[in-house]
Amino acid sequence: EAGVVQSPRYKIIEKKQPVAFWCNPISGHNTLYWYLQNLGQGPELLIRYENEEAVDDSQLPKDRFSAERLKGVDSTLKIQPAELGDSAVYLCASSPGLAGGYTQYFGPGTRLTVL
Amino acid sequence: KQEVTQIPAALSVPEGENLVLNCSFTDSAIYNLQWFRQDPGKGLTSLLLIQSSQREQTSGRLNASLDKSSGRSTLYIAASQPGDSATYLCAVITGNTPLVFGKGTRLSVIA
Repeated sequence: EAGVVQSPRYKIIEKKQPVAFWCNPISGHNTLYWYLQNLGQGPELLIRYENEEAVDDSQLPKDRFSAERLKGVDSTLKIQPAELGDSAVYLCASSPGLAGGYTQYFGPGTRLTVL
Repeated sequence: KQEVTQIPAALSVPEGENLVLNCSFTDSAIYNLQWFRQDPGKGLTSLLLIQSSQREQTSGRLNASLDKSSGRSTLYIAASQPGDSATYLCAVITGNTPLVFGKGTRLSVIA
């Protein structure tokens, strides 16, 4: 069974440029998460989807961040414009929900560097 | 608000030693607790998941225990190896909610 797929793995951009990250969850997982991980810290939630609905986006900086999950499968996280402080690792995770004990499976992450 | 604390922040041990990593959480109403491993520049690999009704889980040289009432979990690593060097993260969940992570323990096993 394929795991959570993320692309790109690495991205270097200049500040004020836009950037987008893509996530393909494990097949059949209805719940999808985007987490932000700063250096030396644990991941923190940005947004959670149940199918195509964003059910928790309270931590998403909506002035510059946006996300979508079309058809309840793949998801895209966008930053426009990027700032220096956005340099971090962006992790995507998916979960089968109650049937799987709410276990979350993580992708390899996208490491963003904003210059 | 749930808070997760991991002690120590960093640990260096010689190869072959047994070691314990600690995790504590403020709200005992958790659904499960997971221990993850993270190698530099990599994503998270789930090591062990303990349901709230369980006391411990074992996988190979790893053993995780959970004392829900006191808000504590430990990860025991037996006969440590240089390949165990990584950051170990503890995270808790309350039902269908985001994981709340600690900051991790950075482990170095010296050959």
